[in-house]
Amino acid sequence: EAGVAQSPRYKIIEKRQSVAFWCNPISGHATLYWYQQILGQGPKLLIQFQNNGVVDDSQLPKDRFSAERLKGVDSTLKIQPAKLEDSAVYLCASSAVGVREDSPLHFGNGTRLTVT
Amino acid sequence: AQSVTQLDSHVSVSEGTPVLLRCNYSSSYSPSLFWYVQHPNKGLQLLLKYTSAATLVKGINGFEAEFKKSETSFHLTKPSAHMSDAAEYFCALTGANNLFFGTGTRLTVIP
Repeated sequence: EAGVAQSPRYKIIEKRQSVAFWCNPISGHATLYWYQQILGQGPKLLIQFQNNGVVDDSQLPKDRFSAERLKGVDSTLKIQPAKLEDSAVYLCASSAVGVREDSPLHFGNGTRLTVT
Repeated sequence: AQSVTQLDSHVSVSEGTPVLLRCNYSSSYSPSLFWYVQHPNKGLQLLLKYTSAATLVKGINGFEAEFKKSETSFHLTKPSAHMSDAAEYFCALTGANNLFFGTGTRLTVIP
């Protein structure tokens, strides 16, 4: 089966600019996650979708970050305006029915964002 | 509250020697526990997962982990390290409906 696809792989922007990331999950996976992974840290959940509804966005900095999952398939994550501390790898993951021992997360290769 | 502590930020072993990556957890209920591996510029790949059926869990590439409730630990081991094992390893546990990750352990394998 095809894995989780993300684009772009790399992005360099200046602070205060905007940027968008795209994710295509594994076909049929209802749950989609965006994680932020700062260098030297473990991934931190930003937002979780179940189909096209938001399950958890408590850690999403809503003043600058937004995400949507139209039609319950692809998803985009946007940052506007970007700050230096947003430099990180943004990982998209999907699972069939949320996180359960029989439904693990599958991760994309991530988008590495550098804000200068 | 859910949390994961990986006790070593960096582990270095010689090729052919055993690997031990340590993970302790804190959970208000019986958690599901996972180990993921991340090679450079790649996403996270599932190594193994703990189910309540067995405390010793076998994963891919010869890795295994033992769930010890009394010690709140879920350490990852491998009898003999290969060069290809050099990567970042993350321990994770389930929260309400997502995963909490540790800060990672970088494994270096010396030829």
